[in-house]
Amino acid sequence: GQQVMQIPQYQHVQEGEDFTTYCNSSTTLSNIQWYKQRPGGHPVFLIQLVKSGEVKKQKRLTFQFGEAKKNSSLHITATQTTDVGTYFCAGPGSGGSNYKLTFGKGTLLTVNP
Amino acid sequence: NAGVTQTPKFRVLKTGQSMTLLCAQDMNHEYMYWYRQDPGMGLRLIHYSVGEGTTAKGEVPDGYNVSRLKKQNFLLGLESAAPSQTSVYFCASSTRVGTQYFGPGTRLLVL
Repeated sequence: GQQVMQIPQYQHVQEGEDFTTYCNSSTTLSNIQWYKQRPGGHPVFLIQLVKSGEVKKQKRLTFQFGEAKKNSSLHITATQTTDVGTYFCAGPGSGGSNYKLTFGKGTLLTVNP
Repeated sequence: NAGVTQTPKFRVLKTGQSMTLLCAQDMNHEYMYWYRQDPGMGLRLIHYSVGEGTTAKGEVPDGYNVSRLKKQNFLLGLESAAPSQTSVYFCASSTRVGTQYFGPGTRLLVL
């Protein structure tokens, strides 16, 4: 079945440093979604990328979708303590089951103030 | 709108006891999902529903049953709880190809 892998599993940074998490799928994806889960909270949708090579920005967050639509990245510039949490990527199933998402195991980001 | 709500928020069970987790959404979404989240394992799909009266197995369905009698509700049942079912359970809902909206979660401890 489809597998979605994320690296690194953990990342600890000093406030102000940059952070990047990478997501790789075993299959080509129709789209990729990113979610953030604060400690003790629930996953919250951040963004969806659909087009090959797409780049989207949300303030200090930059999301990229690979040309082959099998990988993606999330980059945070100048991290802040509010960025703490686990970041998940998720890809839909193929064909008629694209409403089901396969989540990566996530990257836990901690920020030292 | 409340979005997705889950009850209870926290529960302690003894091995062999049964319980039902309730999920409700007010966004008129067709699709609903139950996940479990364990440390280092990410989110794993237990069961899902593509509409009222339908249910289907996900990645880790053993030991769980579900029902979707009303469009807005999705129930997850544990007939005979086991310590391996200690986890955080999240319910989510979505449109056909939309993003998933998660509830606040239920923390379950099975002793």
